[in-house]
Amino acid sequence: DTAVSQTPKYLVTQMGNDKSIKCEQNLGHDTMYWYKQDSKKFLKIMFSYNNKELIINETVPNRFSPKSPDKAHLNLHINSLELGDSAVYFCASSQRASSYEQYFGPGTRLTVT
Amino acid sequence: GENVEQHPSTLSVQEGDSAVIKCTYSDSASNYFPWYKQELGKRPQLIIDIRSNVGEKKDQRIAVTLNKTAKHFSLHITETQPEDSAVYFCAATFGNEKLTFGTGTRLTIIP
Repeated sequence: DTAVSQTPKYLVTQMGNDKSIKCEQNLGHDTMYWYKQDSKKFLKIMFSYNNKELIINETVPNRFSPKSPDKAHLNLHINSLELGDSAVYFCASSQRASSYEQYFGPGTRLTVT
Repeated sequence: GENVEQHPSTLSVQEGDSAVIKCTYSDSASNYFPWYKQELGKRPQLIIDIRSNVGEKKDQRIAVTLNKTAKHFSLHITETQPEDSAVYFCAATFGNEKLTFGTGTRLTIIP
C-alpha cells in the first residue's frame, strides 16, 4: 500500500552518463513534484506537474527533463551527469497544488563519480 | 523574492524540555505554512500545518503559531522525547503554486 514510490533507491554512475528516476503515486493526487536535497539538507523544488501539465520549472539546468505520462507518474531524466548533481532526489505528490499536504517518496540517492 | 528563513540551524535540548523553532517569510500573500519532520535517512513527513486564517494550532505535544503581521511562524514541541530528534523544516506557499522550504533545524534531544 505504498503511497509514493521511487526507483531506484540508490544510483551510482559516472560523470557524463544519462540516467532516469521513476516516481509513482497511488493516492489519486493531481499534483506531483521533484525536489533536490543536497548534502546540507536544503530541500529545493525543481519541477511540479498538475494533471500532467508543467506548472513549476525552477532554475534547473536543461540537462534535467521531467516527464509525466499520466497524473500518477512523474519521471526525471538527467543527461550528461555532473559531480554537482550528487544529491538525494525526492518525488512528492499532493491532492492539488501547493496548499495541501505533500507526501514524499523514499528518495533516490544519486552519486556521480 | 520568495524566501523562508529558519532559525536556529541546530538545537539541542534536554529530554522533557521544550523546543522552539522559528521561521520568517517574505510574501505577505502566503497562506499555508506546514512543518515537516525528516528523520535520518528517511523522507520528510508533515507533522502539523496552519493556514493564514488561524493564529495557533495544537496537536498533542506539537503546536504552531502564526503572526501574519510580522510574517513569522513558530513550531513548539513540549515534553521532548528522544524520538523527536530529527531535522525539521518549515515551509510557506508562494503564488498559490509553490511551497518554499526553510533551511532546516537539526533538533537533538539529550537523554
